[in-house]
Amino acid sequence: NAGVTQTPKFQVLKTGQSMTLQCAQDMNHEYMSWYRQDPGMGLRLIHYSVGAGITDQGEVPNGYNVSRSTTEDFPLRLLSAAPSQTSVYFCASSPPGHYGYTFGSGTRLTVV
Amino acid sequence: KNEVEQSPQNLTAQEGEFITINCSYSVGISALHWLQQHPGGGIVSLFMLSSGKKKHGRLIATINIQEKHSSLHITASHPRDSAVYICAVTGNQFYFGTGTSLTVIP
Repeated sequence: NAGVTQTPKFQVLKTGQSMTLQCAQDMNHEYMSWYRQDPGMGLRLIHYSVGAGITDQGEVPNGYNVSRSTTEDFPLRLLSAAPSQTSVYFCASSPPGHYGYTFGSGTRLTVV
Repeated sequence: KNEVEQSPQNLTAQEGEFITINCSYSVGISALHWLQQHPGGGIVSLFMLSSGKKKHGRLIATINIQEKHSSLHITASHPRDSAVYICAVTGNQFYFGTGTSLTVIP
């Protein structure tokens, strides 16, 4: 099925560990983005990309890295996990002009 | 400082009622989005608006660019409409409201 695929759905990390959240889309969307959702705060933009080879920071980029080597994939890397990074993470993609967003199913990350 | 404000934060309605959720924003935008997040967590894009009004089934979204305000209406509400409704705007960044949690009681 066409859409945005996020893996894993759940993850528990120890403080200081690193990991990569995967995001892939098969709709040939140029724009991809990562968000975190925390209670009472709404979704916040971490990083985004307007095309392969181009990435930029959003509102809360510290502690996260991204790369966009292909149109399809936009992985999010946690370099050294901290309890403050406990959150639900969503990846989304859209065509040019942001005409409709497609969201992944989310990754619930707990850092202990 | 919240660039996007939604009201109410929580809403409980009886099945069949007409529901309105409001969104006000303070930044210049190119478009406004209404999203729906189900209890399972998945997020679905309902509407994207840059002017006027859009309708999809029992859902109607309106936007007033001059007043920087949008409303999402649900006619003949049903328990399956129970979800969190999120307003978001795209300008130089993508800003989200904190959501309106809707519960429709049979």
